[in-house]
Amino acid sequence: QLMESGGGVVQPGTSLRLSCVAADFDFRSFPMHWVRQSPGKGLEWVATISYSGSNKFYGESVKGRFIVSRDNLNNTFYLQMNNLRPEDTASYFCGRDVSSRLVGAANLWGQGIRVSVSP
Amino acid sequence: IQLIQSPSSVSASVGDSLTITCRASQDIAGWLVWYQQRPGRAPRLLIYAASTLQTGVPARFSGRGSGTLFTLTINTLQPEDFATYYCQHASSFRFTFGPGTKVDIK
Repeated sequence: QLMESGGGVVQPGTSLRLSCVAADFDFRSFPMHWVRQSPGKGLEWVATISYSGSNKFYGESVKGRFIVSRDNLNNTFYLQMNNLRPEDTASYFCGRDVSSRLVGAANLWGQGIRVSVSP
Repeated sequence: IQLIQSPSSVSASVGDSLTITCRASQDIAGWLVWYQQRPGRAPRLLIYAASTLQTGVPARFSGRGSGTLFTLTINTLQPEDFATYYCQHASSFRFTFGPGTKVDIK
C-alpha cells in the first residue's frame, strides 16, 4: 500500500514536501510517480523517479520548481514543491509503476493528499 | 505529445458497449495506458502497453491500437463502470494524460 502525507494550506511562493510511504512490496524495485488533480479537473502527471533514484522526469508545469526523490532504505518517496503557485492547488497521488522497467503505468496508488496554495 | 480523447462525455445504459478513442499528436508506438477514475478516488489502471489488461481488471475492458490511434472498449457496461476514463502516453519519459471521457448513466 501507499500513503501520502505532508499536504496542507500554504501561501504562494512557499515550499512544501509531500511524502509517500510504501508498505507490503519491494519498494526499491519499482519506479514511482506523482500525479495531481486540481478541483474539478483532469489528471496531470507531475514527476517520475526510477527505482534507483538515478533518473528523474518532470512535467513542464513543475520543472525547475519541484524535486522528486526517494529513500529506498525507509521505503519513502518524496515530492519537494518550491515556489508554489495557486495553480498547484490539487490532490496529489503517488503511484507505483507496474514494472521495474518503467512502463509508465501505475497499478498501485495512495489515497491522495490535498495541497492548497492561497494568499 | 498531445492526446485527444473522444467523446469528451457519453451517456450509456447498463448492458451497452462503448468505445473511447485516444489520438496522439505523434507516433507513440504502443506506449499508451488507460485508467478509470471514480469521483474522489485514485485512478485505477485498466490497460497498459495499449492492450495488456491489468491483473484483476474484468475482461469486458479491452484496448487496441498503435502509433497515433488507440481505443478502449467496454463491453456490457456494468453499474460500476460509470466513471471517467483517461488515456496516458508513456513514451520518451513524458507521461501526459488525455483530458478524460466521462461515462454517465443515460
